[in-house]
Amino acid sequence: GAGVSQSPSNKVTEKGKDVELRCDPISGHTALYWYRQRLGQGLEFLIYFQGNSAPDKSGLPSDRFSAERTGESVSTLTIQRTQQEDSAVYLCASSETGTSGGSSYEQYFGPGTRLTVT
Amino acid sequence: AQSVAQPEDQVNVAEGNPLTVKCTYSVSGNPYLFWYVQYPNRGLQFLLKYITGDNLVKGSYGFEAEFNKSQTSFHLKKPSALVSDSALYFCAVRDPGGGSYIPTFGRGTSLIVHP
Repeated sequence: GAGVSQSPSNKVTEKGKDVELRCDPISGHTALYWYRQRLGQGLEFLIYFQGNSAPDKSGLPSDRFSAERTGESVSTLTIQRTQQEDSAVYLCASSETGTSGGSSYEQYFGPGTRLTVT
Repeated sequence: AQSVAQPEDQVNVAEGNPLTVKCTYSVSGNPYLFWYVQYPNRGLQFLLKYITGDNLVKGSYGFEAEFNKSQTSFHLKKPSALVSDSALYFCAVRDPGGGSYIPTFGRGTSLIVHP
């Protein structure tokens, strides 16, 4: 089956513009995560969606960042008034989820969107 | 709280030699542990995980990892390295007792395998 897909693969935008990044998770995966990876650094958690529950937004770095997910399908990450420090690769991942006690399922990652703010 | 550490930014090994990429963790109870690999300009790929049971876990591409509870470690190993194993490796931990579905990732270790 298809894996996690993200679009666009690359995005160059001018400082101050808004951008929208898209993620299509694996069908049937109820959990969806967004991460940011700056050049040469690790993964920075941004936001987590689980089914129809309220998302965990604890990783969003500012109110310029927001994300939505329609049911258990597509998610979009929006960055308003982009700044140069927003330049990074944005990774989306999805996974199955188990019952209470925390999920033991691994994450499946998309190829990422490379965002460059000039 | 959960945390994970990868103490080495870079590991260099000659092709054909065994390799080890280190990972230590901290959780309040029993951890779920994961290894992922990232090739250049690609997303992360799952390698293996420890949830429960046998401490030695075998995964993709000939990799294995050993869960050591007393040392709170989950080092990634391979008996004979290939040049194609050169990539960035991430360890991740999730604390099921903490109720969080969000794993914590290490900062990554760059593995370079020399011909």
